[in-house]
Amino acid sequence: GDSVTQMEGPVTLSEEAFLTINCTYTATGYPSLFWYVQYPGEGLQLLLKATKADDKGSNKGFEATYRKETTSFHLEKGSVQVSDSAVYFCALSNTGNQFYFGTGTSLTVIP
Amino acid sequence: EAQVTQNPRYLITVTGKKLTVTCSQNMNHEYMSWYRQDPGLGLRQIYYSMNVEVTDKGDVPEGYKVSRKEKRNFPLILESPSPNQTSLYFCASSLYPPRGDSYEQYFGPGTRLTVT
Repeated sequence: GDSVTQMEGPVTLSEEAFLTINCTYTATGYPSLFWYVQYPGEGLQLLLKATKADDKGSNKGFEATYRKETTSFHLEKGSVQVSDSAVYFCALSNTGNQFYFGTGTSLTVIP
Repeated sequence: EAQVTQNPRYLITVTGKKLTVTCSQNMNHEYMSWYRQDPGLGLRQIYYSMNVEVTDKGDVPEGYKVSRKEKRNFPLILESPSPNQTSLYFCASSLYPPRGDSYEQYFGPGTRLTVT
C-alpha cells in the first residue's frame, strides 16, 4: 500500500543554518505530495505541495521538489529562524480516498 | 472565518464510558476525516467521509464509530473507550476527496483524550 517515510528527529539547528528533512514515498501511479507543519499546541497546516513529477512547491522560504525517479520530496530551507521550530509532516494522496502521513520530524531552532 | 472546530479540546475519562468528540466545518467541504496522532507513529487515519451518509474506514478504525448526517458535522464516537485510545485526535476537511488531486486539508485544533 501507499506510505511515507520521513527522517527521524528531533533536529536541532542554530539560527540561519541550512535545513533538510528527508521524505521518501511508496505509491503506485502519480500521487500528490505535501508538507504540513504543526506549531506547538496547534493543528496541522499546509506548508507546500506538488502534484506532478519535477514540480517544486515553495512557501515561506521552504522548498521541496517532487522527484519521481528517487520517490522523494525532501524539504529544504536555506536559513532557518527560531519561528520555524515546529513538527513537519510529509504526506501523500493518491487515487484512493485517503491521505498518508509520515511520522513527523521535530525541528528546534536555537538563537 | 473559515475553520474546523473540535470539542472538547481536552477530555479525561474512564474505561468503558461512552464519549463523543464533535467536529464541524464552515467551508462546505465534502470530505472530512479523523486522525489520531501518537508519538513515533505520526498521524493515522481513523475514518473518513466523502459526503453526507458516505463514510469509510481508514487505517485504524477499531473501537471508533462516525456518522455524517449533515455536511458540516462529523462526530467521532468511542462507545467503550480503552486506555490504548489515549491519544491526540484531529478532525480535518477538504473541498473534495483526494483521489490523487492536490486539495488541501484543513485541520481542527485537536482533542487530547486520556482514558484511565
